[in-house]
Amino acid sequence: NAGVMQNPRHLVRRRGQEARLRCSPMKGHSHVYWYRQLPEEGLKFMVYLQKENIIDESGMPKERFSAEFPKEGPSILRIQQVVRGDSAAYFCASSPVAGGHTDTQYFGPGTRLTVL
Amino acid sequence: QKEVEQDPGPLSVPEGAIVSLNCTYSNSAFQYFMWYRQYSRKGPELLMYTYSSGNKEDGRFTAQVDKSSKYISLFIRDSQPSDSATYLCAINRDKVIFGPGTSLSVIP
Repeated sequence: NAGVMQNPRHLVRRRGQEARLRCSPMKGHSHVYWYRQLPEEGLKFMVYLQKENIIDESGMPKERFSAEFPKEGPSILRIQQVVRGDSAAYFCASSPVAGGHTDTQYFGPGTRLTVL
Repeated sequence: QKEVEQDPGPLSVPEGAIVSLNCTYSNSAFQYFMWYRQYSRKGPELLMYTYSSGNKEDGRFTAQVDKSSKYISLFIRDSQPSDSATYLCAINRDKVIFGPGTSLSVIP
């Protein structure tokens, strides 16, 4: 049973370009979470999605960032007009049911974004 | 005040030592607590999950929760070099809130 898959593992972009990060949840999981990890900082929640719905985007910057989880295909985290401060590791996690107190999340290996 | 606080370390111990990792949290309503291990350049993996005060043991790992002082701990017995990683405490409310992590090195 494959775990959470993320691609690309490493992504380099120049300032002003767009970054697209993809996440395929574990088989049977319909809930996806995105986190950002800056150097020397902990994981910060960004957004929680179910199929075709954004449930909680309270951790997502209001501009340039968007996320989707279509009916078919992986979840996408999109960053438009990237800036150097966007350089970080972005992790995706999935869970089989709503990520409430009795459920656990399984993390992917992350995408490391470098903005030049 | 941050919701979950953790000494970032780094912590360096000799092989075989008992390791104590600690976190404090601010909201007494939190009930579910987790410890994740993250190896360098990898995603976090769940180590221990517990709720309510008390101890939970799994092999060489023991998770301890003291709700009265809002303090959670992870103990590692007979530490091994393969335990060298960053350990993240987390609470699970409607979303998971992580501490910043403690970097541990176990020296052979």
